[in-house]
Amino acid sequence: QKEVEQDPGPLSVPEGAIVSLNCTYSNSAFQYFMWYRQYSRKGPELLMYTYSSGNKEDGRFTAQVDKSSKYISLFIRDSQPSDSATYLCAMSGNSNSGYALNFGKGTSLLVTP
Amino acid sequence: GAVVSQHPSWVICKSGTSVKIECRSLDFQATTMFWYRQFPKQSLMLMATSNEGSKATYEQGVEKDKFLINHASLTLSTLTVTSAHPEDSSFYICSAPEPGTWGYTFGSGTRLTVV
Repeated sequence: QKEVEQDPGPLSVPEGAIVSLNCTYSNSAFQYFMWYRQYSRKGPELLMYTYSSGNKEDGRFTAQVDKSSKYISLFIRDSQPSDSATYLCAMSGNSNSGYALNFGKGTSLLVTP
Repeated sequence: GAVVSQHPSWVICKSGTSVKIECRSLDFQATTMFWYRQFPKQSLMLMATSNEGSKATYEQGVEKDKFLINHASLTLSTLTVTSAHPEDSSFYICSAPEPGTWGYTFGSGTRLTVV
């Protein structure tokens, strides 16, 4: 079992829709949770990060972490065509690689006008 | 925010040749650099962790003699793919912890195609 599971999609939604992206994980040592956005053939850019459980909101984006269920989510409100990208969840904690990030496969999102 | 400059952005090389990828931290000192590889529709897989002035730590299954990592200064880390083969074709990305935070900044990636 991979440490981080993420449905690769693709996910297609109309402009203005609420998008829900999710990841599950198996390593209870993970404490830091991040969401990255990656455009084709580019490096990931950080969207949101949270520590431990709870919610965090930033503009149209809301990140949720439920450590008891080992489940994290990213919600995008009023989605725009410019939000079309691949969204990667990432986590870190105590691992053999120090604090290197463990990534999900990424979910491909397409927002249609 | 912190910026990591990665070059080249894409490279095509012949099988058997070597390719060097550079990552420079432009406005901060990167004592640690993580190197990832990403195959199409796959997640970023950690290859190795480099620390300035010491030997890199490689993940299981990554050949250290094939993927040479050098981190000779606080602003430059390099990955050299030696004797490249078509199966090494992939997207390589470096990443460094941002100082003062527990965030990470990524380079823009290098798409390597070995023909």
